[in-house]
Amino acid sequence: AQSVAQPEDQVNVAEGNPLTVKCTYSVSGNPYLFWYVQYPNRGLQFLLKYITGDNLVKGSYGFEAEFNKSQTSFHLKKPSALVSDSALYFCAVPAESGYSTLTFGKGTMLLVSP
Amino acid sequence: DGGITQSPKYLFRKEGQNVTLSCEQNLNHDAMYWYRQDPGQGLRLIYYSQIVNDFQKGDIAEGYSVSREKKESFPLTVTSAQKNPTAFYLCASSMRLAGDYNEQFFGPGTRLTVL
Repeated sequence: AQSVAQPEDQVNVAEGNPLTVKCTYSVSGNPYLFWYVQYPNRGLQFLLKYITGDNLVKGSYGFEAEFNKSQTSFHLKKPSALVSDSALYFCAVPAESGYSTLTFGKGTMLLVSP
Repeated sequence: DGGITQSPKYLFRKEGQNVTLSCEQNLNHDAMYWYRQDPGQGLRLIYYSQIVNDFQKGDIAEGYSVSREKKESFPLTVTSAQKNPTAFYLCASSMRLAGDYNEQFFGPGTRLTVL
């Protein structure tokens, strides 16, 4: 079964420090991987996706993600965190249940302190 | 939340009542989805539709129903058979391209509370 795991419920980082939100995946075939962000009481916003090619994917709001096939990981990163980055982050992969559906991880809450 | 509207934003329901949540998109997307979000559980797929007049059950379809009479609209009905309906409901849409790499666009959500 296609799945993703987000091992941390919460990540705390000080403003200006680099941040990493972890995601590991289990897929059959070539992995397609996504990151989304959710601000309080809002819908999800797409950040970036990996399809193939360069292992470092750049996305919205200064975020990037590093694809590592040997470690089956797709960690989200940002060189310098902002307080406004505080939100809930989801990793996702295409689901087996249907064409173009996604399976989401349980989410990681990122808290950036001033 | 780009091009997808959900209404109402907050909805209160008495036990035993059916309620319908609205989802409309103007992105010309073929595919639409309904998710349920509960704290600590991520998003779970309720129903999805790839084209008009066709839809499939997701992982947690029991107690829910949908229709897809127009490309732009995908309403979700929460029936009295749904035992624990209090949750945040998210609608999404995507292009229907070959391959499994279509990002989904989400609406702002509807928070349903059963009194």
